[in-house]
Amino acid sequence: AQTVTQSQPEMSVQEAETVTLSCTYDTSESDYYLFWYKQPPSRQMILVIRQEAYKQQNATENRFSVNFQKAAKSFSLKISDSQLGDAAMYFCAWSSGNTPLVFGKGTRLSVIA
Amino acid sequence: DVKVTQSSRYLVKRTGEKVFLECVQDMDHENMFWYRQDPGLGLRLIYFSYDVKMKEKGDIPEGYSVSREKKERFSLILESASTNQTSMYLCASSLGGPQETQYFGPGTRLLVL
Repeated sequence: AQTVTQSQPEMSVQEAETVTLSCTYDTSESDYYLFWYKQPPSRQMILVIRQEAYKQQNATENRFSVNFQKAAKSFSLKISDSQLGDAAMYFCAWSSGNTPLVFGKGTRLSVIA
Repeated sequence: DVKVTQSSRYLVKRTGEKVFLECVQDMDHENMFWYRQDPGLGLRLIYFSYDVKMKEKGDIPEGYSVSREKKERFSLILESASTNQTSMYLCASSLGGPQETQYFGPGTRLLVL
């Protein structure tokens, strides 16, 4: 079975600093998709960024970027210039044609003013 | 914008009651999903549906059933609520395909006494 592991239950970062959230996954498939979702306190879960496994180039969305290492099965999220609004639970997730989204257990990010 | 709504934000029920959680999406999405979210466990898939009248078991279907009579509506049913079903329940929808973003509802926090 596919698994997604987020080894950091909690992280904190100073405002304007950079933080990296870790995610590893286990799969024998070669074609799949990876996601980071954000769940702010008492608000709906939203997509932050998505990566297709067949693309070598790391995805970027404004201050959010990923470091995708396919051979190592690693998919970390980097948040640059952290803002107070970045405080949230972040979930790493994996999917393929045969399997709906598999989520990690989440990392709670605190941003310190 | 995609909108996914859930019938209740908070619900309190008694052990043994039949509980209905409703989810409606307004973007003609084929896929709909029900998750439960518990601290330290992340999101776990209960049931999903890729089409009207179709349903598939997720990772933790025991004690739950679902109904999808119309494309926009996906209901989660707790046949006989138990205290271990106290949790946050999240509904999501997406277009077809594993690469598609899932859009989440605000969640229903269920307390079973």
